[in-house]
Amino acid sequence: EAQVTQNPRYLITVTGKKLTVTCSQNMNHEYMSWYRQDPGLGLRQIYYSMNVEVTDKGDVPEGYKVSRKEKRNFPLILESPSPNQTSLYFCASGGVPGGELFFGEGSRLTVL
Amino acid sequence: GQQLNQSPQSMFIQEGEDVSMNCTSSSIFNTWLWYKQDPGEGPVLLIALYKAGELTSNGRLTAQFGITRKDSFLNISASIPSDVGIYFCAGHFTTPGSARQLTFGSGTQLTVLP
Repeated sequence: EAQVTQNPRYLITVTGKKLTVTCSQNMNHEYMSWYRQDPGLGLRQIYYSMNVEVTDKGDVPEGYKVSRKEKRNFPLILESPSPNQTSLYFCASGGVPGGELFFGEGSRLTVL
Repeated sequence: GQQLNQSPQSMFIQEGEDVSMNCTSSSIFNTWLWYKQDPGEGPVLLIALYKAGELTSNGRLTAQFGITRKDSFLNISASIPSDVGIYFCAGHFTTPGSARQLTFGSGTQLTVLP
């Protein structure tokens, strides 16, 4: 089954404790992206990757890091989480520029 | 980045009614996409539009790519309870040498009352 898998789905952590949200896709897509969803703000792009070893900032990259060492994986790293990073995070992948994006089920992060 | 204005923010309708929502942009787009997000899930693509003026249907859903390339609307006819969710518009524009990026609207929360 074609899918984007994120882990963990839910996480409560404390300020400053490094965490990683993993994302994996099995569709051989070149393009992958991370979004955060906040009430009234829709989906805002954090980082994206056009291919292996190619990443770039989206609209809200501050406080986040990513890496793309393999085509299928695109982890999101919060080196020192802060409460304003409490949000619902989505990973997405796509095969055609401007075409459909396939989303994971989301990871709800709470930073205390 | 580019801004998308999506309206309305929320809607409460009776089952069986038709629904309309739209998105406008300050910039032109090459592609308009409409997504639906069910509670607890990630967004799923409903309709994709690739050409100015294009009108596309998917069952009870109809969407149009505005002639100016700066707007799009989504209509849902004869709403049913499972239409509940958040609907997002998204626009895409690429210039030579720039990277591909999708801009999302803020979403329309749809509630269907029995």
